Amino acid sequence: EVQLVESGGGLVQPGGSLRLSCAASGFTFSTYWMSWVRQAPGKGVEWVANIKEDGSEKYYVDSVKGRFTMSRDNAKNSLYLQMNSLRAEDTAVYYCARGGGKFEHWGQGVLVTVSS
Amino acid sequence: DIQMTQSPSSLSASVGDRVTITCRASQSISNYLNWYQQKPGKAPKLLIYAASSLQSGVPSRFSGSGSGTDFSLTISSLQPEDFATYYCQQNYNIPRTFGQGTKVET
Repeated sequence: EVQLVESGGGLVQPGGSLRLSCAASGFTFSTYWMSWVRQAPGKGVEWVANIKEDGSEKYYVDSVKGRFTMSRDNAKNSLYLQMNSLRAEDTAVYYCARGGGKFEHWGQGVLVTVSS
Repeated sequence: DIQMTQSPSSLSASVGDRVTITCRASQSISNYLNWYQQKPGKAPKLLIYAASSLQSGVPSRFSGSGSGTDFSLTISSLQPEDFATYYCQQNYNIPRTFGQGTKVET
């Protein structure tokens, strides 16, 4: 069974940093593109970033470029999102998802709240 | 960026109804269109990919159609568990973009 479990969320002040993790199991992690997708409270869904199987290609939505960095460790079946210079508008539930274009499996999500 | 526009934003329906949701892309995306269902407090779930292919395990009452810029999701006979919000999403190019969602309520 495919499982994706996010961790690392919480409350952070504007300008602060946070690192999200996603532990993957039940599939061969190293053979899939992976993505981060977020959803602000009461709002729609927004793709944030994706990363190729070997980590050699990464793409980001414009609003996070230069602030967020996505990475992966295939030996640990883990995905990461380093978030710096956080803003109030980054407040959202962050999901990791399997796939780079269609998102076949999703984690349960982790809440990131940016507030003073 | 490709803008995805869904209509309606919400609709009221009853069990057994045939429900259709439309999604329009701001430029042609061929058939690079996916549909998701989301229930409150849960992650979205993939229903349809490549405009008309049913994801494994999804009931056959769900179907998708369209190509180019105009797409639709149809639920042939609405069931109690289908009351949810539905999103379309394009994977034609980067950034991946979603529609604003359609809430199906009773």
